[in-house]
Amino acid sequence: GQQLNQSPQSMFIQEGEDVSMNCTSSSIFNTWLWYKQDPGEGPVLLIALYKAGELTSNGRLTAQFGITRKDSFLNISASIPSDVGIYFCAGQLLFYNQGGKLIFGQGTELSVKP
Amino acid sequence: EAQVTQNPRYLITVTGKKLTVTCSQNMNHEYMSWYRQDPGLGLRQIYYSMNVEVTDKGDVPEGYKVSRKEKRNFPLILESPSPNQTSLYFCASSLGRGLAKNIQYFGAGTRLSVL
Repeated sequence: GQQLNQSPQSMFIQEGEDVSMNCTSSSIFNTWLWYKQDPGEGPVLLIALYKAGELTSNGRLTAQFGITRKDSFLNISASIPSDVGIYFCAGQLLFYNQGGKLIFGQGTELSVKP
Repeated sequence: EAQVTQNPRYLITVTGKKLTVTCSQNMNHEYMSWYRQDPGLGLRQIYYSMNVEVTDKGDVPEGYKVSRKEKRNFPLILESPSPNQTSLYFCASSLGRGLAKNIQYFGAGTRLSVL
């Protein structure tokens, strides 16, 4: 089936540093979503992207929908301890018979050292 | 409050003992889905449902069953659990098809251990 390659798998950074992670695929997507999962909780939507080239911000987070529709990145500026968690990208394929299947990346586990 | 509710949050069971994990959403969403999360593998879809009485297999359906008798509920059934089904399970729901409508909202998860 379709796959998303998310990198890096994990990051250990100092508080205040900027973070960048990305997802790539051989498939073309109509939507890119970025989720964050806090420890012991379910994923929560951070940013949704709907058009190729779109750049969207949510506070210190910025995400872009790649021009080729096959990739997306997420940047976090000036990281803080509460940014700790697992970040997932998800691409959405609009198949008629699947109503918009979400394909998830493997996740990027972020650790922030105060 | 709009939410997806899963129960139980934690479950320890033994091989072969049938179990059901419930999922309920209060957002009148058409689309519901079950995922399992395993280290290094991300979230993999088990089953999904596009509406009442309409269900279909995801990427890893073996050993699982689902039903959708009511719009709000989408239980996950393990008829004969095995240790390789030890995992963290998430239920999710969305409005339906189309851009923006397919943003999925997740429950808090059910951590299952099969001994």
